[in-house]
Amino acid sequence: GNSVTQMEGPVTLSEEAFLTINCTYTATGYPSLFWYVQYPGEGLQLLLKATKADDKGSNKGFEATYRKETTSFHLEKGSVQVSDSAVYFCALSAYDYKLSFGAGTTITVRA
Amino acid sequence: DVKVTQSSRYLVKRTGEKVFLECVQDMDHENMFWYRQDPGLGLRLIYFSYDVKMKEKGDIPEGYSVSREKKERFSLILESASTNQTSMYLCASSIIGGGKVEAFFGQGTRLTVV
Repeated sequence: GNSVTQMEGPVTLSEEAFLTINCTYTATGYPSLFWYVQYPGEGLQLLLKATKADDKGSNKGFEATYRKETTSFHLEKGSVQVSDSAVYFCALSAYDYKLSFGAGTTITVRA
Repeated sequence: DVKVTQSSRYLVKRTGEKVFLECVQDMDHENMFWYRQDPGLGLRLIYFSYDVKMKEKGDIPEGYSVSREKKERFSLILESASTNQTSMYLCASSIIGGGKVEAFFGQGTRLTVV
């Protein structure tokens, strides 16, 4: 079946630090890949997505590249802000249109 | 903007009660989902529906049922609530475009069963 593995947290960073959250997946066929973000007390919001190999999704300074050869979709941001403190979920959607999620990574950014 | 609205943000229910969680979306999406979110486990799919009156079991359907009588509304039912169903419940809806799904989530219902 489909599955997503992402690095465990929690992770605490200082403002302006570089952020990487690793995500790898197992899926049949050619899935679409997503990063969702959940701010405290809220539901999930789509942060970025990529629908085919070598696509790069980007939004709000975050980027992730769909790497089929390594089955990965790592999230990066060059300079984090306090407002980036949230839980980040990697997810995939394959032929059955259901989303499979990773366990989530809690990121706390300190001023 | 797509809006997915869950009827309650917080609920406290007693063991053995029948519990209804309601979700409404306003964008005419075909698919609707119920997930539960637990620390360290991420989001786990309980049920989903791809059309009115159609439903399929997700990964953890035991102890739950669903109802979709209208396209915009998808209800999750806990037939007899138990303490291990204390969790955050998230509803989502999605469109299908060229085989690529993008889901929109409600704000969640935090259910406590005592």
